[in-house]
Amino acid sequence: SYELTQPPSVSVSPGQTARITCSGDALPKQYSYWYQQKPGKAPVVVIFKDTERPSGIPERFSGSSSGTTVTLTISGVQAEDEADYYCQSSDMIGAWVFGGGTKLTVL
Amino acid sequence: QVQLVESGGGLVKPGGSLRLSCAASGFTFSDYYMTWIRQAPGKGLEWVSYISDSGTTIFYTDSVKGRFSISRDNAKNSLFLEMNSLRAEDTAVYYCARAHSSSGDFDYWGQGTLVTVSS
Repeated sequence: SYELTQPPSVSVSPGQTARITCSGDALPKQYSYWYQQKPGKAPVVVIFKDTERPSGIPERFSGSSSGTTVTLTISGVQAEDEADYYCQSSDMIGAWVFGGGTKLTVL
Repeated sequence: QVQLVESGGGLVKPGGSLRLSCAASGFTFSDYYMTWIRQAPGKGLEWVSYISDSGTTIFYTDSVKGRFSISRDNAKNSLFLEMNSLRAEDTAVYYCARAHSSSGDFDYWGQGTLVTVSS
């Protein structure tokens, strides 16, 4: 079955830039999405269709795509950004999938 | 405002069955794909199943194929997940979510309902 691969953890100091990657063979042909989940809460979409940012999401969140890897970048990380982040996409036949998740720690 | 409210979770023995429901309001339910997503305790998100706006397209993750069945009632703004032959590894919080596109983009989520499979 199709898989999306994320690093289990990323750590940055406040004000630095965090980059979280997600790799999958179908990513050049399928849109990717990024979700932020804080403890005890339902996830919130922070990036859709690879690079689009929903209204209400701070400008420091951005998405990019290159080949089989998509990247969520958080510029000027703040303490409130500490959370789990998940990428999501679909395989070539239409089934959806999440990456394993990345725990962002703000030092 | 958009609301998704799940119900039907609980404790069930291995091999048992449960039916989850999701009541939707605040949007035109029949215009959207809907999906079930689960999260085992302390684990990541796992997509379970989705159903298209008309109900004609359905997909499942491999681990639930043949055991789970998704359906919807557009007249009653409701989404369902029939779960049979439940296993310990199905224990999770089950979220109902609205998909903004046919490739995902889950823009609204319910609060989740806990399913515990244990003897």
